[in-house]
Amino acid sequence: AQSVTQPDIHITVSEGASLELRCNYSYGATPYLFWYVQSPGQGLQLLLKYFSGDTLVQGIKGFEAEFKRSQSSFNLRKPSVHWSDAAEYFCAVASYGGSQGNLIFGKGTKLSVKP
Amino acid sequence: DARVTQTPRHKVTEMGQEVTMRCQPILGHNTVFWYRQTMMQGLELLAYFRNRAPLDDSGMPKDRFSAEMPDATLATLKIQPSEPRDSAVYFCASGLDMSFGYTFGSGTRLTVV
Repeated sequence: AQSVTQPDIHITVSEGASLELRCNYSYGATPYLFWYVQSPGQGLQLLLKYFSGDTLVQGIKGFEAEFKRSQSSFNLRKPSVHWSDAAEYFCAVASYGGSQGNLIFGKGTKLSVKP
Repeated sequence: DARVTQTPRHKVTEMGQEVTMRCQPILGHNTVFWYRQTMMQGLELLAYFRNRAPLDDSGMPKDRFSAEMPDATLATLKIQPSEPRDSAVYFCASGLDMSFGYTFGSGTRLTVV
């Protein structure tokens, strides 16, 4: 069965520091991969997605993620974190084709930003 | 920006009562999801529809939950009877194709007392 693991429940970084949030997936074929962000009391906003091509994808708000098939990973990065980035981040995998396409989410990583 | 609209935003109800949550997907989107978010379980898929036809509702407790799309502009999730363990945030999401990603609504926070 497909699954997504986000090993870090909570991460704290200083404003201006770099950030990497980890995501590992389990899926037999080439996955569709997503990162979403959720601010308190809000819905989920799509940051970026990968389904083919260049393994380094750029998203909104200065985020990027790199797909590494050999490691079954899709880690999210940002070179310099802003206080407004404090939120919860979810990695998700979707199956491809036919009647599939539902998203399987990881448990999320909560990001806190120190001034 | 186009939005997925969910109503109500908050609902407090007594155990045993019927609860109906509504979702207006983005115009033109043919795929609609219902997810439930809790602290313990995270985001769980309850049901999803493509072109108004239910594709998967295996994550939904069938004895009390039902999901429908009476037309392309409305999706509903009904709980009858509601129980305290149903307290959660329920999200609706819509999309055209997963290569574009899916857009989530702001959710309905349900509290069953």
